Amino acid sequence: QQNVQQSPESLIVPEGARTSLNCTFSDSASQYFWWYRQHSGKAPKALMSIFSNGEKEEGRFTIHLNKASLHFSLHIRDSQPSDSALYLCTRAGNSAGNKLTFGIGTRVLVRP
Amino acid sequence: EAAVTQSPRNKVTVTGGNVTLSCRQTNSHNYMYWYRQDTGHGLRLIHYSYGAGNLQIGDVPDGYKATRTTQEDFFLLLELASPSQTSLYFCASSDGISNERLFFGHGTKLSVL
Repeated sequence: QQNVQQSPESLIVPEGARTSLNCTFSDSASQYFWWYRQHSGKAPKALMSIFSNGEKEEGRFTIHLNKASLHFSLHIRDSQPSDSALYLCTRAGNSAGNKLTFGIGTRVLVRP
Repeated sequence: EAAVTQSPRNKVTVTGGNVTLSCRQTNSHNYMYWYRQDTGHGLRLIHYSYGAGNLQIGDVPDGYKATRTTQEDFFLLLELASPSQTSLYFCASSDGISNERLFFGHGTKLSVL
């Protein structure tokens, strides 16, 4: 089974601060990387994806991917209380049947 | 946005009981999935399917059966429920298996007493 590790397990950030979440994976053949966000009592919802090394920005959210170091991250600029949620990272390879593997998640609390 | 509907929302059964969780998606997605979510374990894949009549084994399949009767409908069956299967179950669908986002249902909370 492909392994995905997330850190930290939880963090508290003040409103307006930058939040950084990390994800490491064990399979160097991984091709597709996603971040999902799950608000309390709700279903997970896809936030952003990245399929090649580098950086991708969408609004206040930025993903970094470094396949050589088996690491990708999510950064939230100007964190808002509405960003408080469980953040799940996931990866998949490109071979047939290579399904998404999720990390345990990082719980983020943004304090006003 | 893709619609995935699960039923029931909550279910309580006893050890040894028979439970069926239902999922319907209305966006003609090829792939459907059943996950369970537990504290300390995250989302774990039980079974998935890439079309009517197809079934693929996930990462934690023991104690679960699944059946995809149509493009829209995917069922999860617990024939002899055990307390270890108390969990929050999510159904999801997607067009592709890895490069397309998953759309999740609202979840079914199952308690096995």
